[in-house]
Amino acid sequence: AQRVTQPEKLLSVFKGAPVELKCNYSYSGSPELFWYVQYSRQRLQLLLRHISRESIKGFTADLNKGETSFHLKKPFAQEEDSAMYYCALPLTQGGSEKLVFGKGTKLTVNP
Amino acid sequence: GAGVSQSPRYKVAKRGQDVALRCDPISGHVSLFWYQQALGQGPEFLTYFQNEAQLDKSGLPSDRFFAERPEGSVSTLKIQRTQQEDSAVYLCASSSQGLSLYYEQYFGPGTRLTVT
Repeated sequence: AQRVTQPEKLLSVFKGAPVELKCNYSYSGSPELFWYVQYSRQRLQLLLRHISRESIKGFTADLNKGETSFHLKKPFAQEEDSAMYYCALPLTQGGSEKLVFGKGTKLTVNP
Repeated sequence: GAGVSQSPRYKVAKRGQDVALRCDPISGHVSLFWYQQALGQGPEFLTYFQNEAQLDKSGLPSDRFFAERPEGSVSTLKIQRTQQEDSAVYLCASSSQGLSLYYEQYFGPGTRLTVT
């Protein structure tokens, strides 16, 4: 079954420290993966996606097919990065489309 | 322009009551999704519409849940005879071209349903 696992429910770092939010997936095939972010009192929004190879707000994520991982990284965390982060696997099959989300990691960046 | 809107933002229902949750997607968006997010969990897929056609309802937890999008724009998620386990945030999302790797899915603010 296709699923996404985020092993850390909570992650706390100090401002300026590196941060890595872990995401592992289970998928038969070549996956695409997304990271979504939800800041306090805001709606869920797309942060970045593997296919774009982009860096958004200093965050990057590399797909590692050997380890079935798509960890989100930032070298120097900022207080404004504090938020809920969700890793998501888009599935399109049999005329259906959906996102399969992990349970999320709450990142707190302390001053 | 306006994003995805949902109403009501908060709903308290007594167990056994019926509720209706509304989603207004971004104008012109073809695809519309409903997700359920229980406390401390990630969003879980409920159902998917392409225009007015409901192409997947495999995520609806029981036959008490029903969704429609009759004119291919506004959608309503209806829950009949609500139970306490239905308490969750219900998220609506829309996309201009379906769940493509290149087109973003835009989420609404959610409706928080509390069943007492």
